[in-house]
Amino acid sequence: GQNIDQPTEMTATEGAIVQINCTYQTSGFNGLFWYQQHAGEAPTFLSYNVLDGLEEKGRFSSFLSRSKGYSYLLLKELQMKDSASYLCAVHSNSGYALNFGKGTSLLVTP
Amino acid sequence: KAGVTQTPRYLIKTRGQQVTLSCSPISGHRSVSWYQQTPGQGLQFLFEYFSETQRNKGNFPGRFSGRQFSNSRSEMNVSTLELGDSALYLCASSIRTGTNTEAFFGQGTRLTVV
Repeated sequence: GQNIDQPTEMTATEGAIVQINCTYQTSGFNGLFWYQQHAGEAPTFLSYNVLDGLEEKGRFSSFLSRSKGYSYLLLKELQMKDSASYLCAVHSNSGYALNFGKGTSLLVTP
Repeated sequence: KAGVTQTPRYLIKTRGQQVTLSCSPISGHRSVSWYQQTPGQGLQFLFEYFSETQRNKGNFPGRFSGRQFSNSRSEMNVSTLELGDSALYLCASSIRTGTNTEAFFGQGTRLTVV
């Protein structure tokens, strides 16, 4: 089966750094995605990792360890607009179907 | 370059009716995947189409079906609607370039069954 776990909620302060973890157990692995979703909107692509290591993109970084079935999304210099749900998704088959975690709701406070 | 386009944005249907949703992928993308998003279950995979063929299917009843046309546009159909089908239906357009995979979502169709 497929199992993808993320914390349900997190709170952080504006200007701080926050790390959102994702662990997965899937029958195959072809890559891991992170998406941001604001309430009432569609998910927006943030990052894609297929090899172990850290991928940095501006204020956002994503890390992957395939041997540990673990990824994290790091958000630096938090802004109020970063308050959103962050979704971890694993691409585990030959097609493009994604298995999503339930998402982590991040609240950034002043 | 245009993004993923889903129509309609909002729908209200009555129990027992059927509904058809449409998704036009990003130009050049041949894969379209459909997802159902509800507050309790999160994002759940429905099915994926690639070059007019269903390539993967999630754990949904046969009332949920889809198809893809030669121009890569896809439609999703739900028959005999139930109250529990009320959800945001999202489609994603995907392409692989080398070792990198891209998957972008449309704005979704918000379906309310009453």
